[in-house]
Amino acid sequence: GQQVMQIPQYQHVQEGEDFTTYCNSSTTLSNIQWYKQRPGGHPVFLIQLVKSGEVKKQKRLTFQFGEAKKNSSLHITATQTTDVGTYFCAGIYNTNAGKSTFGDGTTLTVKP
Amino acid sequence: NAGVTQTPKFQVLKTGQSMTLQCAQDMNHEYMSWYRQDPGMGLRLIHYSVGAGITDQGEVPNGYNVSRSTTEDFPLRLLSAAPSQTSVYFCASSYSIADEQFFGPGTRLTVL
Repeated sequence: GQQVMQIPQYQHVQEGEDFTTYCNSSTTLSNIQWYKQRPGGHPVFLIQLVKSGEVKKQKRLTFQFGEAKKNSSLHITATQTTDVGTYFCAGIYNTNAGKSTFGDGTTLTVKP
Repeated sequence: NAGVTQTPKFQVLKTGQSMTLQCAQDMNHEYMSWYRQDPGMGLRLIHYSVGAGITDQGEVPNGYNVSRSTTEDFPLRLLSAAPSQTSVYFCASSYSIADEQFFGPGTRLTVL
């Protein structure tokens, strides 16, 4: 079936260090979305990537979509304690099919 | 706008009991979905709906029923609760699968 693999599962960093999480699919994606879930909270949408090779930035966050549209990454520069949470990617294979497939998430902890 | 609301916030059931988790949105979104989230895992799609009167199964539909009689409401019914259904349940809505999903605050369900 269609699966989105996300690594790493956990990442512990010192405040100020960089952080990256990766999502990979065995088949081509149509779109990929990224969400953040704070501890005890609900997922909140960050961004959607649609085009092959697309790069989008939100302040210290950089999102990339691979040329083959099979992988994506989220990079945080100079982490802060407010970045703590679990980051999920959600792959959409067919925008007419009505389903998205979530990765298992990467949980980021930041030591002050 | 209240966004996506879910009730109850917490629920404890005994094995074999049935119940309905409520979900409502006031954003006039056509697409609604139910996910479950187990510890250390991502969001797994239970059922989804692309509009009133239309529902379809996700990855893990067994033991759950849904209906969509109005655009606003998308209740999830547990037919005969089992301990394996202990989880956090999130409802989400969006204009379409290719748009940002808005998540409700979640229902934490324990089945004894």
